[in-house]
Amino acid sequence: QKEVEQNSGPLSVPEGAIASLNCTYSDRVSQSFFWYRQYSGKSPELIMSIYSNGDKEDGRFTAQLNKASQYVSLLIRDSQPSDSATYLCAVNSPGGYNKLIFGAGTRLAVHP
Amino acid sequence: ETGVTQSPTHLIKTRGQQVTLRCSSQSGHNTVSWYQQALGQGPQFIFQYYREEENGRGNFPPRFSGLQFPNYSSELNVNALELDDSALYLCASSFRTGVMGTEAFFGQGTRLTVV
Repeated sequence: QKEVEQNSGPLSVPEGAIASLNCTYSDRVSQSFFWYRQYSGKSPELIMSIYSNGDKEDGRFTAQLNKASQYVSLLIRDSQPSDSATYLCAVNSPGGYNKLIFGAGTRLAVHP
Repeated sequence: ETGVTQSPTHLIKTRGQQVTLRCSSQSGHNTVSWYQQALGQGPQFIFQYYREEENGRGNFPPRFSGLQFPNYSSELNVNALELDDSALYLCASSFRTGVMGTEAFFGQGTRLTVV
């Protein structure tokens, strides 16, 4: 079992729709969770961090965390073509240092 | 812009050669982590430097080594390059206090091609 799992996609949504990206992780003691956006040929860009169960909203983005189910999600409202990218879920590995474990990413395509 | 800068942006090396990649961390950050990202994969943790010492290492052989300098900048060195080392190398900067760290911000990456 991979430590962090994401559907590879592509997830295709029409412009203006809600895109829902999901991530599961295997280590129950993980404490910090992050979503990064990566455009083709570019480096990952941090868009959301979440540390507590529940929802966290930032503009059009909402991160949701359920530690009991070991599940993290990212919702993108009013999706725009500029949101088309690969979204990487990352989990902070416990153990005394800030090591991030990444999923393979979900490719999102927003079509006009 | 994250304030994390990497150099060079692109590099082509021959198998068996050695390479050094550089990273300047964001102002106020004291921790640098290095990641390798192969095409179509998520970044894989190589190692982290905190207080000029290696502080955690992923599943990479000893020919991957690094340094952190007093100004918190860092180098990644790879000896005896192999074709499979071709990847995007990412540096991530964060601030660490105690055992936890803040959010990590990535530089633009170095694309290494080994031929």
